[in-house]
Amino acid sequence: GDSVTQMEGPVTLSEEAFLTINCTYTATGYPSLFWYVQYPGEGLQLLLKATKADDKGSNKGFEATYRKETTSFHLEKGSVQVSDSAVYFCALTGRTGANSKLTFGKGITLSVRP
Amino acid sequence: EAGVAQSPRYKIIEKRQSVAFWCNPISGHATLYWYQQILGQGPKLLIQFQNNGVVDDSQLPKDRFSAERLKGVDSTLKIQPAKLEDSAVYLCASSSTSGGAYAYNEQFFGPGTRLTVL
Repeated sequence: GDSVTQMEGPVTLSEEAFLTINCTYTATGYPSLFWYVQYPGEGLQLLLKATKADDKGSNKGFEATYRKETTSFHLEKGSVQVSDSAVYFCALTGRTGANSKLTFGKGITLSVRP
Repeated sequence: EAGVAQSPRYKIIEKRQSVAFWCNPISGHATLYWYQQILGQGPKLLIQFQNNGVVDDSQLPKDRFSAERLKGVDSTLKIQPAKLEDSAVYLCASSSTSGGAYAYNEQFFGPGTRLTVL
């Protein structure tokens, strides 16, 4: 079945550092890929998405490129802020429409210190 | 626009007791999902509804879990009897079908219910 693998955490960075969070996936067909974020005390929110190979999703300074050849969707940000401290989940959906469940990775906790 | 509402936010019960969670999706959203998130893991789909019909319940432990979505709006998830391994956060999400049958329609998540089984 479909699966998502994220790098082990947690990750602690200083403010303005460069961030990379690795994500690889296994899926049949052509999945859509997502990064979700969960800020302390809040629900899951969609951060960015990409629906086909070579697409780049971006939002709030975060970027991720859908790499079909390496089955990867790594999350990057050039300069992190304390407000980026949260749990980040990589996810995919292999189907659209009526049957559109999300398959998530384990998540990784990011802490940014001033 | 109001988001997905869930209640209660926290629940502590003894094993073998029963518990119920409630979800009110975003108005007009036809699709409703229940996910289980065990500590240290990503959310896992338990059941998906399209209006008041079940689309996918393949990972729902049907001997103890049940869910319904009467009238295609609110939904209730029940566990009876609870086991220690049911301790988790239960997330409800909803999405519209405005993108069409072959498009991805964004899922919006509620704050979750944290269940502790002692």
